[in-house]
Amino acid sequence: AQKITQTQPGMFVQEKEAVTLDCTYDTSDQSYGLFWYKQPSSGEMIFLIYQGSYDEQNATEGRYSLNFQKARKSANLVISASQLGDSAMYFCAMREPYSGGGADGLTFGKGTHLIIQP
Amino acid sequence: GAGVSQTPSNKVTEKGKYVELRCDPISGHTALYWYRQSLGQGPEFLIYFQGTGAADDSGLPNDRFFAVRPEGSVSTLKIQRTERGDSAVYLCASSQTGGINSPLHFGNGTRLTVT
Repeated sequence: AQKITQTQPGMFVQEKEAVTLDCTYDTSDQSYGLFWYKQPSSGEMIFLIYQGSYDEQNATEGRYSLNFQKARKSANLVISASQLGDSAMYFCAMREPYSGGGADGLTFGKGTHLIIQP
Repeated sequence: GAGVSQTPSNKVTEKGKYVELRCDPISGHTALYWYRQSLGQGPEFLIYFQGTGAADDSGLPNDRFFAVRPEGSVSTLKIQRTERGDSAVYLCASSQTGGINSPLHFGNGTRLTVT
């Protein structure tokens, strides 16, 4: 089973509109971390936002917020007032505890290609 | 305030050759990760180092792939007898700790092309 599922391969959104990128995850751990990354066409992976499984408040970072619904295992990224520069691939990722202690690396979804139209 | 540095940025090699890809993590970051990203896909985990030792190498696809981090800083990913299917972008990342809340910071990757 996929650990991270992103059901929107591509999205077109008008500039200045809000956009929601979907992400569901699968884990049996109680402690885990959820991350969103942006990858522009240049290829760099840019960390956007983090949500811990025990965090009661939804994470926010500037125009980015994370709609965390733990019971539904959902961690959607919301971008408010979208800009042309937001056009990129967006990846949802999860970090779980590692059996040897600490945490393992990130497991990524397949990504959503977001295109902002003027 | 340098980020994660990967060299070379591009590598073209012939099928069957040996290649080494280098990663210089952010100074002070104890955890280092290698990922492989094929076109149109998310990054795929290869190996994770905590300090000098490989904490988790379960993502390495076969024994042609090997990685080292001898002094707990710079890491080298080594691929023997390269195959065309190894063509991808190889990403390195580091994090300050190995904790769940510690984000990974990625380099710009090495684009490997096997002809």
